[in-house]
Amino acid sequence: DAGVIQSPRHEVTEMGQEVTLRCKPISGHNSLFWYRQTMMRGLELLIYFNNNVPIDDSGMPEDRFSAKMPNASFSTLKIQPSEPRDSAVYFCASSVTHTGEETQYFGPGTRLLVL
Amino acid sequence: QKEVEQNSGPLSVPEGAIASLNCTYSDRVSQSFFWYRQYSGKSPELIMSIYSNGDKEDGRFTAQLNKASQYVSLLIRDSQPSDSATYLCAVAEGNSGGSNYKLTFGKGTLLTVNP
Repeated sequence: DAGVIQSPRHEVTEMGQEVTLRCKPISGHNSLFWYRQTMMRGLELLIYFNNNVPIDDSGMPEDRFSAKMPNASFSTLKIQPSEPRDSAVYFCASSVTHTGEETQYFGPGTRLLVL
Repeated sequence: QKEVEQNSGPLSVPEGAIASLNCTYSDRVSQSFFWYRQYSGKSPELIMSIYSNGDKEDGRFTAQLNKASQYVSLLIRDSQPSDSATYLCAVAEGNSGGSNYKLTFGKGTLLTVNP
């Protein structure tokens, strides 16, 4: 079975540009998580969805960040306008919440560099 | 602000030795605890989860949990060079199966196993 799929794998953009990151969770998983990882701050949860509904977006840095999950198989994280401090690796993860153990499976990540 | 603290390392052990990784957490209501392994340039992968006080063994890995001391550890027996990675401790507030299942990660401990 395919794991969590993220695209693009690498993104280099200039400050002020819009960036859209995409995620396809594992089929059958009903929770989806967006994380950001930097050396300074480690791995931080930005937002998570349960059954396509945003449950907690308290980790979203500011209004420049937005996330959507229009259906069970697709989610986007958008940064507009992007800034150099947004440079990080962005991970998407998914899990099944109705089982006894909720393992979060991470995608390969998108490495974002904002110049 | 929930906090998860880990020894930043790096931790260096010889091949065949026991590697001990430690983690403390600030939120007393935390119920679920996880250890993730992250190879350089890769995404985190779950290696152990523990929900009750005591020890949980899985192959060469043993997780230990002490909720009274707010402490969780990971022991790796017979360490191998392939165990060289960053180990992330993660703590969740919710019980498994709930919709409030969000993880707070420590910044990780870099382990190097020398041949």
